[in-house]
Amino acid sequence: DQQVKQNSPSLSVQEGRISILNCDYTNSMFDYFLWYKKYPAEGPTFLISISSIKDKNEDGRFTVFLNKSAKHLSLHIVPSQPGDSAVYFCAARDDQTGANNLFFGTGTRLTVIP
Amino acid sequence: ETGVTQSPTHLIKTRGQQVTLRCSSQSGHNTVSWYQQALGQGPQFIFQYYREEENGRGNFPPRFSGLQFPNYSSELNVNALELDDSALYLCASSLDRLAGDFEQYFGPGTRLTVT
Repeated sequence: DQQVKQNSPSLSVQEGRISILNCDYTNSMFDYFLWYKKYPAEGPTFLISISSIKDKNEDGRFTVFLNKSAKHLSLHIVPSQPGDSAVYFCAARDDQTGANNLFFGTGTRLTVIP
Repeated sequence: ETGVTQSPTHLIKTRGQQVTLRCSSQSGHNTVSWYQQALGQGPQFIFQYYREEENGRGNFPPRFSGLQFPNYSSELNVNALELDDSALYLCASSLDRLAGDFEQYFGPGTRLTVT
């Protein structure tokens, strides 16, 4: 039962253009959403997050948009750089048990072409 | 400030054996979570420890168990290994869930292969 879904396993974008990574979720109790970036042989690195009470959060080149009615969030990277090439995981927090568990999607591999 | 470290990096075990994986949390972090990442999948939550007590568990059987020590380092133990336990095991620490800080910082993982 995949509660967080990333339906695009891969995405290729030209350097300087916008990268848009998408994520859908099913659990309306999720209260916090995060994006992680993962390079080979490294653990996921926190990138940006958004609370369920907001619809947008921006940090430099990275912006996350949340559409609660559609249970959809997206990560925009602009302008894209070759160093952004990595696997991006969307994650959502369910704190009903107080345990701060994160539910992850299956990831999208972003390739930024120089 | 040291990051999250895990040992060993790689491990090969035989079906039926037991394994212990170790994690040192980032300095000052009192909460540690363990995740299993199978090939081609996202990390799946196994359990979380907060101040040495288990504080939540995902959909994993009891043969997956853990410990957190007073210095907030942690162990993941898996008994009666099965072939499907082959995966990357990730440890993540966070500052203090009661303080509302829930950004988790991940270690590089331990790659477990069960043959």
